[in-house]
Amino acid sequence: AQSVTQLGSHVSVSEGALVLLRCNYSSSVPPYLFWYVQYPNQGLQLLLKYTSAATLVKGINGFEAEFKKSETSFHLTKPSAHMSDAAEYFCAVRTGGSNYKLTFGKGTLLTVNP
Amino acid sequence: GAVVSQHPSWVICKSGTSVKIECRSLDFQATTMFWYRQFPKQSLMLMATSNEGSKATYEQGVEKDKFLINHASLTLSTLTVTSAHPEDSSFYICSARTSGGSDTQYFGPGTRLTVL
Repeated sequence: AQSVTQLGSHVSVSEGALVLLRCNYSSSVPPYLFWYVQYPNQGLQLLLKYTSAATLVKGINGFEAEFKKSETSFHLTKPSAHMSDAAEYFCAVRTGGSNYKLTFGKGTLLTVNP
Repeated sequence: GAVVSQHPSWVICKSGTSVKIECRSLDFQATTMFWYRQFPKQSLMLMATSNEGSKATYEQGVEKDKFLINHASLTLSTLTVTSAHPEDSSFYICSARTSGGSDTQYFGPGTRLTVL
């Protein structure tokens, strides 16, 4: 079964510092991987997705993620954190065939300190 | 981009009553919609997958008679929590996938249900 594991339930950074949110996947087939962001009391917004094309994926709001097969990782990064980046971030993997669904990690809460 | 709406955004009800939550895809047709439940500070748990015009597929452990899902059209799915109890209080989020087979799921803003 395909799954994702997010390391660290809470990450705190200073404004302007590098953001690194970790996600490792488990999959017997090439995975489709996603990062979503959730602001308080809101739904999820897609940040970026990996669908077996370029291994470095650029998303919205300055975020990017690199797919590393050797490390089974898909970590999310942003060079310089902004206060507005404070939110919950979820890594997800697509599971199933034609009737696929998303399986989410437990989430990482990012706080940005002034 | 594609927009998914949910109504209501929050609802408070008495124990034993039923509550209906609507999920609409506003600018695209969604052959498949998903309903998730999210407890405070936890991840999203998939409850069921619904395809337009057919019965929903429920995840293991989700009571289909308690959480009624209807996907009557390509733009509307409803979740009805029947005989709600305080333990049903949660954040319910719907998601829709376009009919073109896109890998992208678009999420609604969620509905906060509080059962007294």
